[in-house]
Amino acid sequence: KAGVTQTPRYLIKTRGQQVTLSCSPISGHRSVSWYQQTPGQGLQFLFEYFSETQRNKGNFPGRFSGRQFSNSRSEMNVSTLELGDSALYLCASSFPGGTEAFFGQGTRLTVV
Amino acid sequence: QKEVEQDPGPLSVPEGAIVSLNCTYSNSAFQYFMWYRQYSRKGPELLMYTYSSGNKEDGRFTAQVDKSSKYISLFIRDSQPSDSATYLCAMSARSGAGSYQLTFGKGTKLSVIP
Repeated sequence: KAGVTQTPRYLIKTRGQQVTLSCSPISGHRSVSWYQQTPGQGLQFLFEYFSETQRNKGNFPGRFSGRQFSNSRSEMNVSTLELGDSALYLCASSFPGGTEAFFGQGTRLTVV
Repeated sequence: QKEVEQDPGPLSVPEGAIVSLNCTYSNSAFQYFMWYRQYSRKGPELLMYTYSSGNKEDGRFTAQVDKSSKYISLFIRDSQPSDSATYLCAMSARSGAGSYQLTFGKGTKLSVIP
């Protein structure tokens, strides 16, 4: 059974640019969550999508947005990139109503 | 006070030792408790999942939850060099929207020395 797939694995962007990250959940999982991981703050919740609707949102600025498609695949977008956005962005998927979250390998974003 | 506190270590033990990793939390609404293992440059891997207070064992790993003290632990018996990784505790409470948002500890970096 394939795990959570995130693309791309690595990205280098310039300040002010925007970026889109992609996540394909485990087959049958309809809930997709995004997390930001940095050495200083650890893993922080960005948002969760279920059935194409954002169900929960963390404490991040509006520059961070996401969406989910009918096949449960999800994308997150960060606009007007800042140096502080450099981080490992992780996607996790769960069964509907499930509390066990399974993570992908992450996308490492570097903003220069 | 952070919702979840976890000693970042680093923790270094000899091969074969028993390892104890701990987290404390302040939010009484947390109902589900997880331990993840994260190797360098990889995503977190779910190790243990518990709901109620008490112990849960899986091979060399035992997860312990004490809701009255708001304290959770992960024990690793007969530790191996392959256990060297960062261990993250995570907890969740059902949100008003029906979802379960995970709150993580900062992680403890473990090294098992051969």
